[in-house]
Amino acid sequence: AQKITQTQPGMFVQEKEAVTLDCTYDTSDPSYGLFWYKQPSSGEMIFLIYQGSYDQQNATEGRYSLNFQKARKSANLVISASQLGDSAMYFCAMRTNRDDKIIFGKGTRLHILP
Amino acid sequence: DTGVSQDPRHKITKRGQNVTFRCDPISEHNRLYWYRQTLGQGPEFLTYFQNEAQLEKSRLLSDRFSAERPKGSFSTLEIQRTEQGDSAMYLCASNHRRGYEPQETQYFGPGTRLLVL
Repeated sequence: AQKITQTQPGMFVQEKEAVTLDCTYDTSDPSYGLFWYKQPSSGEMIFLIYQGSYDQQNATEGRYSLNFQKARKSANLVISASQLGDSAMYFCAMRTNRDDKIIFGKGTRLHILP
Repeated sequence: DTGVSQDPRHKITKRGQNVTFRCDPISEHNRLYWYRQTLGQGPEFLTYFQNEAQLEKSRLLSDRFSAERPKGSFSTLEIQRTEQGDSAMYLCASNHRRGYEPQETQYFGPGTRLLVL
């Protein structure tokens, strides 16, 4: 069975510091994609970053980077130089090659402190 | 550039009533997905369409739920005889998928918050 685990229900981080949000996954499918989404209080799911299972390098998108450790089935999100606007729920998610739905973790609520 | 839109954004109804939500995907996206998100949880897959065809339904989608995408563009999700447990955010997403491309993200709408009293 496919599963996403996010073990941090909430985090408090000082503005301008870097933050790492943890995510582990489980799948038997060799081809899969990992996603991170941000959900502000408005409710919309905002796509942040994608990592493919065969990608050799860690994905980066601006201040977001994904620390992909395939052997450990880990896909942590790193946000550098955090900003107040980063306060939101963050969801790790996965989609496999033979499936069309995205499976989400329970999320981590990130609070950026001024 | 218009994204995925959903209507209404909020709905309050009494138990036992029927409700219908609408989703307009990004134009030319052939796939449309419905998810449900309850408080403190991540979204859970309900169903998806490729063009007009409904290709998969989750076991979460009871007989009281029905979804359609009659012309392959917008979609509706109807809940009959609503129950308090149906209270949730209903999210719609779309993308255009060709073949096996797990890297394609889904673009989400703002959601419809349903409260059943």
